[in-house]
Amino acid sequence: GAVVSQHPSWVICKSGTSVKIECRSLDFQATTMFWYRQFPKQSLMLMATSNEGSKATYEQGVEKDKFLINHASLTLSTLTVTSAHPEDSSFYICSLTGTGLLSYNSPLHFGNGTRLTVT
Amino acid sequence: DQQVKQNSPSLSVQEGRISILNCDYTNSMFDYFLWYKKYPAEGPTFLISISSIKDKNEDGRFTVFLNKSAKHLSLHIVPSQPGDSAVYFCAASASASNTGKLIFGQGTTLQVKP
Repeated sequence: GAVVSQHPSWVICKSGTSVKIECRSLDFQATTMFWYRQFPKQSLMLMATSNEGSKATYEQGVEKDKFLINHASLTLSTLTVTSAHPEDSSFYICSLTGTGLLSYNSPLHFGNGTRLTVT
Repeated sequence: DQQVKQNSPSLSVQEGRISILNCDYTNSMFDYFLWYKKYPAEGPTFLISISSIKDKNEDGRFTVFLNKSAKHLSLHIVPSQPGDSAVYFCAASASASNTGKLIFGQGTTLQVKP
């Protein structure tokens, strides 16, 4: 069964508005969640690491004020794209492990992703 | 700097034959490698993984081979089935970083023809 629930699966918004994407861990407590972005025909690029109860760690080149991450509980992390622009249109995917650490027997589980289109 | 590379953007094979997907990496700190399968508009699903202490891991029709000296891994699917048609990503991680971050390749689109 699904381990990760991501919502919404797709969203269309107008330029300048904000969009919130939710990522829920269904089977276990996730101290760490990861947010990825995929542009068409490109690889999944890690945007940030979301840590429960603390500030997210952003990858180089990712604007933390634009992509707000909140990990308020062990089962929920949210990504808010603020003041969205057409260039933010992409496929956003969250992922997590049970322990927050990658190990041989604990690969990342991914949500089904959110297709964001900014008009 | 692309640390994980999948140089073949696409691969087409006949049903029943072997599919071989390749992946190269540059970071010698990577010690854990995974293959994911992805359908359009869905998140990746985990297929198989291998630790750097091994050179082969097999799970049903899927086998991953790791050549550390060449910094190369490959995924073999045999026999290939039409349902295997998808985008396959290889990914790598360095356990020493203790962050759980995965670095993905660009993906290879596999088409298995009936």
